[in-house]
Amino acid sequence: LAKTTQPISMDSYEGQEVNITCSHNNIATNDYITWYQQFPSQGPRFIIQGYKTKVTNEVASLFIPADRKSSTLSLPRVSLSDTAVYYCLVGDSLGYSTLTFGKGTMLLVSP
Amino acid sequence: EAGVAQSPRYKIIEKRQSVAFWCNPISGHATLYWYQQILGQGPKLLIQFQNNGVVDDSQLPKDRFSAERLKGVDSTLKIQPAKLEDSAVYLCASSSGQTYNEQFFGPGTRLTVL
Repeated sequence: LAKTTQPISMDSYEGQEVNITCSHNNIATNDYITWYQQFPSQGPRFIIQGYKTKVTNEVASLFIPADRKSSTLSLPRVSLSDTAVYYCLVGDSLGYSTLTFGKGTMLLVSP
Repeated sequence: EAGVAQSPRYKIIEKRQSVAFWCNPISGHATLYWYQQILGQGPKLLIQFQNNGVVDDSQLPKDRFSAERLKGVDSTLKIQPAKLEDSAVYLCASSSGQTYNEQFFGPGTRLTVL
């Protein structure tokens, strides 16, 4: 499984756009890039997933360059409720792959 | 759609005692996972079931941990005997496989071993 590297923590203010970059140099051809969000005392929640270029949903955007060795999760206009840990994971396309969580990025949004 | 249910939410035991956690996945989800999350770390996969068969239990400490998934639905995770280092949140997740790598997590059981 490809290993991922992301910042330990990030700080932001309400209303700002936040970009969290993840490095996955050893990503394989069949791997998808997936991001999860975890609030305190809750289980992780799937946010977004992509294979290449750009994916957007109602929560976030995911930017993946052509070489796929990194990806950027973009959260538009964050609010206090976006304070959470964000995990970047890489898993294959078999549908039942094992996900390996790192320590994630702790995002703190301040007023 | 009901989410993944887990019980109990909290459990405090003394070392060397036994404990069991229960998980009811989302209806129709064939794959069920148990994770251990120690404070400050990401979840670590303990065991993965596909229906009632084990797909991956490579990180399950089999000398003290056991898990089963009867009839391919509910699952229980047991620790016997517990050690201090087992203090963690135990998360259950399930997936249908329709979206790659999308797992639905329950609220977890926080275990404290004294």
